[in-house]
Amino acid sequence: ILNVEQSPQSLHVQEGDSTNFTCSFPSSNFYALHWYRWETAKSPEALFVMTLNGDEKKKGRISATLNTKEGYSYLYIKGSQPEDSATYLCALFGNEKLTFGTGTRLTIIP
Amino acid sequence: DSGVTQTPKHLITATGQRVTLRCSPRSGDLSVYWYQQSLDQGLQFLIQYYNGEERAKGNILERFSAQQFPDLHSELNLSSLELGDSALYFCASSSSDLGNEQFFGPGTRLTVL
Repeated sequence: ILNVEQSPQSLHVQEGDSTNFTCSFPSSNFYALHWYRWETAKSPEALFVMTLNGDEKKKGRISATLNTKEGYSYLYIKGSQPEDSATYLCALFGNEKLTFGTGTRLTIIP
Repeated sequence: DSGVTQTPKHLITATGQRVTLRCSPRSGDLSVYWYQQSLDQGLQFLIQYYNGEERAKGNILERFSAQQFPDLHSELNLSSLELGDSALYFCASSSSDLGNEQFFGPGTRLTVL
């Protein structure tokens, strides 16, 4: 069973500030780590898929890193904007299924 | 728009009834995944199909079943419905079964009264 923990549970950030949050997992017995952004009243949207220790991915102001040896992934948002307000989900792909964490709910304060 | 469609968008029914939720994956995607999101719970994996065959099962109740048809659309059947089955049901598709990013449909909101 894959265990995925995300912290913090929620976060309020001033517009323009940078922020990061964590996905941690006790076991590296998975094939890939996914990050999704889930805006209210919409469906989850894939941000990154990472498979290798040391992977770093970037999309605009958002980036992610993966450390399978120490069991964590970080998601960074640089210069937060109101449209970044969403729940960010981390998920592990193993045994042909995705196991999701409960997410970090990010609110950007204008 | 992810390219994944789900119908219906909303469904209200009574306990004991049976419903069918439908999903059409993105063009070319062979894998379909079903998820349930209940109140105060995260996304729970139910079942996966790849090119018509069941590939993985999660915490899916025996009252629930699914299938994927030759045209790759999928249906999730929920029977003997209980109040606790009220949830948002998502379908997602991906091009393979190797952990690629998944594209989520808009979801079906099921309310059991």
